[in-house]
Amino acid sequence: GAGVSQSPRYKVTKRGQDVALRCDPISGHVSLYWYRQALGQGPEFLTYFNYEAQQDKSGLPNDRFSAERPEGSISTLTIQRTEQRDSAMYRCASSQNSFSIRGDNEQFFGPGTRLTVL
Amino acid sequence: GQQVMQIPQYQHVQEGEDFTTYCNSSTTLSNIQWYKQRPGGHPVFLIQLVKSGEVKKQKRLTFQFGEAKKNSSLHITATQTTDVGTYFCAGGPTGDYKLSFGAGTTVTVRA
Repeated sequence: GAGVSQSPRYKVTKRGQDVALRCDPISGHVSLYWYRQALGQGPEFLTYFNYEAQQDKSGLPNDRFSAERPEGSISTLTIQRTEQRDSAMYRCASSQNSFSIRGDNEQFFGPGTRLTVL
Repeated sequence: GQQVMQIPQYQHVQEGEDFTTYCNSSTTLSNIQWYKQRPGGHPVFLIQLVKSGEVKKQKRLTFQFGEAKKNSSLHITATQTTDVGTYFCAGGPTGDYKLSFGAGTTVTVRA
């Protein structure tokens, strides 16, 4: 596809259930990022992949959150034992290159998955 | 930790007027990026500034990176209804890749 895609677009789940959010980055993009965006706020960094390697997961709120990108393309963000405070828009972004301090790492965002935990 | 702050939070502009939104960081940034998010949409990259004091223009939009690489501004001239949306700045400290996004400036335009 032409852009970053995410599925599902909307997810409603009950507290305590596990959810898996999928991101399909732009073909050939090396870097993949997961963000969480609350209403009225900017995206908040969760984790970053360079190819299949998870380079940084310091933004994951706690150990209920995990992410993988096993073949260096599609990525899954999993939230176990969901809580109401996990409700938010989860966004994925990809960029063509590995990070460079030259700054040529424009990020392309997907449409997001709106997660609601009841 | 690093914080990126944007002011104002809301900007109500008469069509045809100019306005400026500001972005300030508590730490030195390796680069600053600006994104625009339309209502109901996702952030879309506008521009990236890397050099101290750098100024870049995109039609009616002028972006500036401060000399100390701790602040940036976006100036829009002759505002149009198509400028409606939330403008985010995002930056990372020197040598880091993690972008810290500001809370954004939400722009509405009165026709």
